[in-house]
This record gives sequence, structure tokens and C-alpha cells, in this order.
Amino acid sequence: NAGVTQTPKFQVLKTGQSMTLQCAQDMNHNSMYWYRQDPGMGLRLIYYSASEGTTDKGEVPNGYNVSRLNKREFSLRLESAAPSQTSVYFCASSSLEGTEAFFGQGTRLTVV
Amino acid sequence: GENVEQHPSTLSVQEGDSAVIKCTYSDSASNYFPWYKQELGKRPQLIIDIRSNVGEKKDQRIAVTLNKTAKHFSLHITETQPEDSAVYFCAASMGYSSASKIIFGSGTRLSIRP
Repeated sequence: NAGVTQTPKFQVLKTGQSMTLQCAQDMNHNSMYWYRQDPGMGLRLIYYSASEGTTDKGEVPNGYNVSRLNKREFSLRLESAAPSQTSVYFCASSSLEGTEAFFGQGTRLTVV
Repeated sequence: GENVEQHPSTLSVQEGDSAVIKCTYSDSASNYFPWYKQELGKRPQLIIDIRSNVGEKKDQRIAVTLNKTAKHFSLHITETQPEDSAVYFCAASMGYSSASKIIFGSGTRLSIRP
């Protein structure tokens, strides 16, 4: 049972480049989330998807877009990367009943 | 929207002593309050949670208390051990009754002194 899988694990981008972070879960969860983690700032919610076909902004959505492709997959796109987007990105999923969020292993993104 | 504040940001305790981390939340509709532990370089993992219809929950050396009136909840770790050293996050959501966002506090770095 893989749980939540994120790709890639590491990425270096130049300012202005675009990229998509991929996330997939195999636990049949309804809800999926994208967080960024910066030192001293905790886990800040970028976007979340309560169910397939719906997405909503979180605390820090500017500069990002998301797609809930199907129940399993939730991708995060940076259209024009900026140094301020250097961070560790975590995808997570949860079921409605359980509410526990299961996290992927994280993506360390550096924008130079 | 929901806002979760967590204190302290760093905490150092002697091995064997107790550690307490406190959080407050702003949205009275929140009904689910989990705590996550994140070891260095690892992903956050749930260690204990509490729902709004319960005031206290205990699991071995870990306990969580909830005061709905004051909108605050706390994590208590007793008889601390070196493996308790990590960053701890509290969170709040309305997820117990409907799918909703999970908002985290800013984290507490707990260090256990030998």
C-alpha cells in the first residue's frame, strides 16, 4: 500500500520557469491538500480539494494553480516560478470519516 | 477563515520531565483537532487527535485536552524520552462533519536534554 506518492522529490527551477508537482493517493480518500513548509512558518495550506471535481483556495494560493484530475490525483502547478516559492511542498489526503491526513514524502523545490 | 496559533515555537525539557504545547483556534465551527509529529527530514504523522465532543484523550504518555469555550487545546507529553525530539504541529478543521480544509499551527520544536 503506497499511501500518498509525490513526484519529484527534488527540483531546481530558474526564475520564470514553470512546473507541475504530481500527487496520487491509493486510499480512496475524498479530500486532498497541498501545503508548503517554510522554516518557522509551519504548514501553510495552498489549495485543497474536498472531492473530485472541486478545488478551493487555502491560506497562500497566489502563484499556484491546481487540478483534481480524478479521485486519486491532485496536481500543483507553478506557472512562473519565483524565489519566494522556494520551499518544501507536501501533498496530503484524508477521508471524510477518518479526518486523519496522510502526507506524501514531500518535494524540495529551489527557485534560483 | 480559521486561524491557529501555537506556542511556544521552541521548547527544551530535561529527559523524564513533561512538555506542554498550547494552541488556540478562531473558528468556533471547528470540531476536529489533530496533533502531528515531524521528525527531521520526514513527513508529518498523526500522533493523537480529539473531537469537539470530548474534553480529554490519552494515549500512553501523550494526552490532549480541549476547551471549546476558550477555543484552545493542548498537547501534554509525560516522561519525555530522546525520541520525542521533533517538531509538533497542532491543527484544526471541521472535517468531522464535512470535508473541509485543515489549518495548521506554526509548529513547536521540542528538544529533549539528556
